[in-house]
Amino acid sequence: GQNIDQPTEMTATEGAIVQINCTYQTSGFNGLFWYQQHAGEAPTFLSYNVLDGLEEKGRFSSFLSRSKGYSYLLLKELQMKDSASYLCAVRDRSNTGKLIFGQGTTLQVKP
Amino acid sequence: AAGVIQSPRHLIKEKRETATLKCYPIPRHDTVYWYQQGPGQDPQFLISFYEKMQSDKGSIPDRFSAQQFSDYHSELNMSSLELGDSALYFCASSLGPGRFHFGNGTRLTVT
Repeated sequence: GQNIDQPTEMTATEGAIVQINCTYQTSGFNGLFWYQQHAGEAPTFLSYNVLDGLEEKGRFSSFLSRSKGYSYLLLKELQMKDSASYLCAVRDRSNTGKLIFGQGTTLQVKP
Repeated sequence: AAGVIQSPRHLIKEKRETATLKCYPIPRHDTVYWYQQGPGQDPQFLISFYEKMQSDKGSIPDRFSAQQFSDYHSELNMSSLELGDSALYFCASSLGPGRFHFGNGTRLTVT
C-alpha cells in the first residue's frame, strides 16, 4: 500500500526557517518530490531527491533518508509569498512511475 | 520553454452532462498523467499514457475515459457528471524518469 504523511498545517514568521517533514511507506520508491501549490493553481516543482542526503537550491533544501522513509523540506528566510501548500510526492516503480501525493502541508507565513 | 497546456481553464456543466478536457504535453515527453484534485485534497492519480498507450490506471470512475492521440495530446472525457466531480483536473507530462511538469489545470464546476 501507499501511505505518505505530512503535517496538515504549519505557521512560521517572516524571515525565519521552517522544516516540513514527510514520512512515507510505499510499495516501491523511485524518488521523492516536493511541490509548492498556491490555491487554485498548478503544483510547482521545488526539489527532487532519489539518493540519501541533502539537496540545496537557494532558499529551499530537501533531505531524504530512504532507510527511514523520511524526507523534509527546509525553507529559509521565509517570505510572505511562501504561504502556500507544500506537497510531498513519491514516484513509484510502476510502468510509468506515477507520483503519489501526500495530503499537503499548508504553511502560513506571518509578519 | 514550452509548458504543458490544458484547455479549457474553466468549465461549468450541469449534472448528467458530458465534459471533455484537453492536454497538450511538452514536446517529446513520452508520458502523460491525469490527476483530480478536490477542494482541500491532494491530487489523486486518474490515468496515464506512455507513447499513446494507456500505461496505468488509478481511481478513475467508469464514467470517465481518456485517450492519447497521434499528436500526443490527450483528452479526458467525463460523462454523466455528478456534483462530486467538481474539482481541479491537472495534466502532467514527463520524459522517462524526469520530473513531472504540470499544466495550469482545468477547474470543472458541476451544478
